[in-house]
Amino acid sequence: KAGVTQTPRYLIKTRGQQVTLSCSPISGHRSVSWYQQTPGQGLQFLFEYFSETQRNKGNFPGRFSGRQFSNSRSEMNVSTLELGDSALYLCASSRGGQTYGYTFGSGTRLTVV
Amino acid sequence: AQRVTQPEKLLSVFKGAPVELKCNYSYSGSPELFWYVQYSRQRLQLLLRHISRESIKGFTADLNKGETSFHLKKPFAQEEDSAMYYCALSEQGGSEKLVFGKGTKLTVNP
Repeated sequence: KAGVTQTPRYLIKTRGQQVTLSCSPISGHRSVSWYQQTPGQGLQFLFEYFSETQRNKGNFPGRFSGRQFSNSRSEMNVSTLELGDSALYLCASSRGGQTYGYTFGSGTRLTVV
Repeated sequence: AQRVTQPEKLLSVFKGAPVELKCNYSYSGSPELFWYVQYSRQRLQLLLRHISRESIKGFTADLNKGETSFHLKKPFAQEEDSAMYYCALSEQGGSEKLVFGKGTKLTVNP
């Protein structure tokens, strides 16, 4: 079966712009979570969506937002980009709950210049 | 606040030697603990979960609540075990939010 698909793979944006990243979970997985990975901070939880509802949110500013559609696909948006937003953004899907763990996508590498 | 500490950024062993990757956590409740692994040029993937008490690819991990540790062990390391290993914690009740450690890069030398 197809894995978690993230698009685009790479993105270069200018400070002040906004960006939208997309994630298609494994078929049947209703939970989608987003993580930011940087060399300094490691993997940090952004938010999690289940059945189109945000269930958990990490400690990120309001510039970071997301949503989930009825087909479980998810998008995250970052507005007013800052240089510090440069990171690998990972999407992970699960059936719901951590019993089976996550399946991760390959990530979107965002570079802000 | 929950915290996961992996004290070793780098760990190097020889093939056939035992390996132990350390993980300590800070959490007031009963957490669920995981090990994730990322091989070169591959996606981050689940290696094992403490609740299943399983052995995957020869690796085991025991949750020690007294020492708040969840160390990953393998008696005989193989070159293909070289990878980045992350310990992660989920809050009691199986919350989707995972708190990750900073990771340990394991290199198994021939």
